Amino acid sequence: KNEVEQSPQNLTAQEGEFITINCSYSVGISALHWLQQHPGGGIVSLFMLSSGKKKHGRLIATINIQEKHSSLHITASHPRDSAVYICAVSGNQFYFGTGTSLTVIP
Amino acid sequence: EAQVTQNPRYLITVTGKKLTVTCSQNMNHEYMSWYRQDPGLGLRQIYYSMNVEVTDKGDVPEGYKVSRKEKRNFPLILESPSPNQTSLYFCASTQGPLRPTDTQYFGPGTRLTVL
Repeated sequence: KNEVEQSPQNLTAQEGEFITINCSYSVGISALHWLQQHPGGGIVSLFMLSSGKKKHGRLIATINIQEKHSSLHITASHPRDSAVYICAVSGNQFYFGTGTSLTVIP
Repeated sequence: EAQVTQNPRYLITVTGKKLTVTCSQNMNHEYMSWYRQDPGLGLRQIYYSMNVEVTDKGDVPEGYKVSRKEKRNFPLILESPSPNQTSLYFCASTQGPLRPTDTQYFGPGTRLTVL
């Protein structure tokens, strides 16, 4: 059973490109989260959404509750954006996607 | 500085030798959680605690124990570790997963190898 599905699994982009990572979920949730995991392993929370859209710098996250779908967009991508991006959903429990490995080439 | 700390960061042990991984947060968060991360499977929740003395099973609780005697600490106990518990473990905390304004803070991870 996969409560959270992410696509693509791997993504390579040229510096400056617009990037989209998609997340679909199948359970009822209170919030959806986007996380970033750096090559060293540390995990940082980027966004928590329960509706609509949030923007932080070059990152934008959207959620469509009716369609149970969220997207993470990165505008003007940069090599320092290279990381694994993980979608998660929460009620009392957390469920995670398997992550999208992003490599941005200079 | 707001943080979640875990110890040890790396541990190699043998089958059956009891071990404890400590987790502590300094943000007065109510919700704490343990996850394991395995290649191809992603992060999976082991146990979580919504407050002191309240703990619940996550997706993969078998072989693990937890306790929440104080708000700041949430240790993970492996009574009899087995090789299939070799993994990267993360502790995390948040004020409450049901509140849409509260994000989750993760510890640095503990890499456990069970021989």
